[in-house]
Amino acid sequence: NAGVMQNPRHLVRRRGQEARLRCSPMKGHSHVYWYRQLPEEGLKFMVYLQKENIIDESGMPKERFSAEFPKEGPSILRIQQVVRGDSAAYFCASSPSRGGELFFGEGSRLTVL
Amino acid sequence: GQNIDQPTEMTATEGAIVQINCTYQTSGFNGLFWYQQHAGEAPTFLSYNVLDGLEEKGRFSSFLSRSKGYSYLLLKELQMKDSASYLCAVRLRGSQGNLIFGKGTKLSVKP
Repeated sequence: NAGVMQNPRHLVRRRGQEARLRCSPMKGHSHVYWYRQLPEEGLKFMVYLQKENIIDESGMPKERFSAEFPKEGPSILRIQQVVRGDSAAYFCASSPSRGGELFFGEGSRLTVL
Repeated sequence: GQNIDQPTEMTATEGAIVQINCTYQTSGFNGLFWYQQHAGEAPTFLSYNVLDGLEEKGRFSSFLSRSKGYSYLLLKELQMKDSASYLCAVRLRGSQGNLIFGKGTKLSVKP
């Protein structure tokens, strides 16, 4: 049973470009969470999705950031017009149920030049 | 606001025992988690406490006191591979399942 798969593992963007991060949850998991980790900081919750629905986006910046989890395919975190402050590791976690244990992917490290 | 505190760094010797503390002040509580994270890797689940007391799992144990807003992770018979960051996380009552994480404790195990 493959774990949570994230790609790309590393992504470099220039200011103003768009970044797309993908997350395929573990088989049988329909709950996906996105977290951001800045250097020397803890994991910060961004958004929680179930298939085709955003359940909680209270941790996501109102502008430039969006997330989706379509019926088919991976969950995608999109950052438009990236700025240097967006440089961070973005982790995806999946769970078989709401309130269940979270299984994390290895993260996507975004560097904005 | 929500606040989770844990020491930034700790050092211990191979074969020894180390205790990593975590205190939390949150609006509601519905469980405390400990994760291990090696540099550049995914956090991996270690333990979960929702009731007061000690949960033991092999070399790792976790303790919770809800009245004190306090937990600790105990690692016995330390091995070099235990060098990692240990993340304390709280699930709030009524939350959608997301966790609030502390900044993590970086543990270095020396020979």
